[in-house]
Formats: sequence, C-alpha cells, structure tokens
Amino acid sequence: QAQLVQSGADVKKPGASVKISCKASAYTFSNFPIHWVRQAPGQWLEWMGWINGGNGNTKYSRRFQDRVTISRDTSANTVNLEVTSLTSGDTAVYFCARGDSNGWGTWGQGTLVTVSS
Amino acid sequence: QSALAQPASVSGSPGQSITMSCFGSSSDIGGYNYVSWYQQHPGNAPKLIIHDVSYRPTGVSTRFSGSKSGNAASLTISGLQAEDEASYYCSSFTLSGAYVFGTGTRVTVL
Repeated sequence: QAQLVQSGADVKKPGASVKISCKASAYTFSNFPIHWVRQAPGQWLEWMGWINGGNGNTKYSRRFQDRVTISRDTSANTVNLEVTSLTSGDTAVYFCARGDSNGWGTWGQGTLVTVSS
Repeated sequence: QSALAQPASVSGSPGQSITMSCFGSSSDIGGYNYVSWYQQHPGNAPKLIIHDVSYRPTGVSTRFSGSKSGNAASLTISGLQAEDEASYYCSSFTLSGAYVFGTGTRVTVL
C-alpha cells in the first residue's frame, strides 16, 4: 500500500526558511504527482502546489509562488517543500499528498511548522 | 483564487441523510468535472471520499455520494452514523491549472 512519510515538526523564527520532506514508498514514484496542502490552526485546507513525479514540472498557487519551491529527489523517492520568508501566518500543518484520479488518495501524516520569535 | 464556499456546519440525527453544498464559479466547479471531497477528523490527515464529482474510491462507504449542478457541488451522507462526525472539504481543479479547496463544513451527529 502506497505510503508517504513526512519529516518531523519544526520551529522557525520569522524571516527564516523551512524545508519539509515527503518520502514515498510502495509505488512507482515517477508515475504520480505529489501535491502540498497546508492547514493553519482552526482553518481550512489550502493547496500550495504540485510536482510531476516523472519530469519534475511544477505548478504553484499564485498565493505562494514567490516563496515556495517544490523539488524531487528521484533516487530517494522524496519530494521536498521549501518555504522562505516565514511569518507567523505560515504556522500550519503541512501535508503532502499523492495525486490519484483527480483526487488525493494518499496523504502524509502532516508536519507542524511553528513560526515564532 | 478564492476558497470555494461551504456552510460552516450541518447536523443530523443518526440514520438521517444530510447534504452539504460547495459553491464555486465557472472557472472551477462549473468548468470541470474534477470535484473531490475529503473527510477530516481532528488531528488527522484528510481522507478522499469522492473524486471526479461522484466516484467513490475503493473502500469508501456507499453512504457517501456526490453530485454537481452548474457551479455548485454537493455531498450527501445517508444513514448518518456517529463516525461521520468530522469536517468535510470540497476541492476543484481551476482554469488557471491550480486547485482550490472549500472553507469546510463541520458535521455534527446529534
């Protein structure tokens, strides 16, 4: 069964950057895109962007495209999300999810990023 | 791209049916049959329960059904059970090639 395992919680100061990893297993990594979704405390889900597992092409939400980079390491079956210029508004749980048939059927466990001075 | 609009809360008694809506525009819901629905229990990752407007992934209860009319999508839960108490989010592909989620509906089983 396909599985996505994310890196652990992190605490950052305002202005810093954070990098979160998402390691895929039990499926052919290049056959599926990986999306990133975040959820601020008590808020709804917010789509951030995605990367094609095969060719590495990316698409970002306009809201994040200046501060977010999604990359992949095919040798490690891992996708990374980097967010720069962090503010308290970026405090959230970040999820990676595999794209399946126009839905996200497999999700990582989530990574809490706290931005605090 | 603004979030899709969902009612904040819906409630029902065990065994009843409830329906929640998700309102978008011709640039998202109305333009594509790429609407999906997710169930999220507190502290957990979302779970896909409907994709492509009305298709259930393997293993998802037949009590969940989805539909679309114009710029709005709907999720119906029939035979409401205590375990259905959760938040539900719709999502759609958009004209810009991005995706957008709804604001979420909290379901309470009375």
